[in-house]
Amino acid sequence: GAGVSQTPSNKVTEKGKYVELRCDPISGHTALYWYRQSLGQGPEFLIYFQGTGAADDSGLPNDRFFAVRPEGSVSTLKIQRTERGDSAVYLCASSAGEGGYTFGSGTRLTVV
Amino acid sequence: RKEVEQDPGPFNVPEGATVAFNCTYSNSASQSFFWYRQDCRKEPKLLMSVYSSGNEDGRFTAQLNRASQYISLLIRDSKLSDSATYLCAVNGDKLIFGTGTRLQVFP
Repeated sequence: GAGVSQTPSNKVTEKGKYVELRCDPISGHTALYWYRQSLGQGPEFLIYFQGTGAADDSGLPNDRFFAVRPEGSVSTLKIQRTERGDSAVYLCASSAGEGGYTFGSGTRLTVV
Repeated sequence: RKEVEQDPGPFNVPEGATVAFNCTYSNSASQSFFWYRQDCRKEPKLLMSVYSSGNEDGRFTAQLNRASQYISLLIRDSKLSDSATYLCAVNGDKLIFGTGTRLQVFP
């Protein structure tokens, strides 16, 4: 596609529920990144994929968070047993190489 | 200490003013550097890469000082439309962002 696509754009869920957030990167971009951004803060790194494998998952806050990219294109960020503190904008970005990353418009997650 | 630090601002400047932002980073092995612009409730968008020799794009000038581990962004002749949050980003093995600096340009 022309840009990075994220769905849904907004998600409201109840505490304790499971959610999946989807990212469709720019076609041909092998690198894909997930970030989380809270109000007044910069994007916080979560996980980075190079192809199908997670090259760096050091930013995932705990084992409730998991991400996959089975075919090296679309990625899904999965959050189990959501907590109110998980509420944030989840941003996905992709990159073809050494240049800057292109971000999607994000998924605003609200846990109530 | 945070890996990338910025003054959160806000910087309130009149139209036509020149304003500069600095950003410091802790990882001396960092390889590439960027400035992003983020409008309210929007995603970050790449403004410019930062090179060792310094680079300019219209009213915007970015510089890198590896010895002191900081990057800077200079905006000349500020416009109302420059009002936004400016994020610096530093890439070692992954891209790390600062908290952003808010700029408000007033008439």
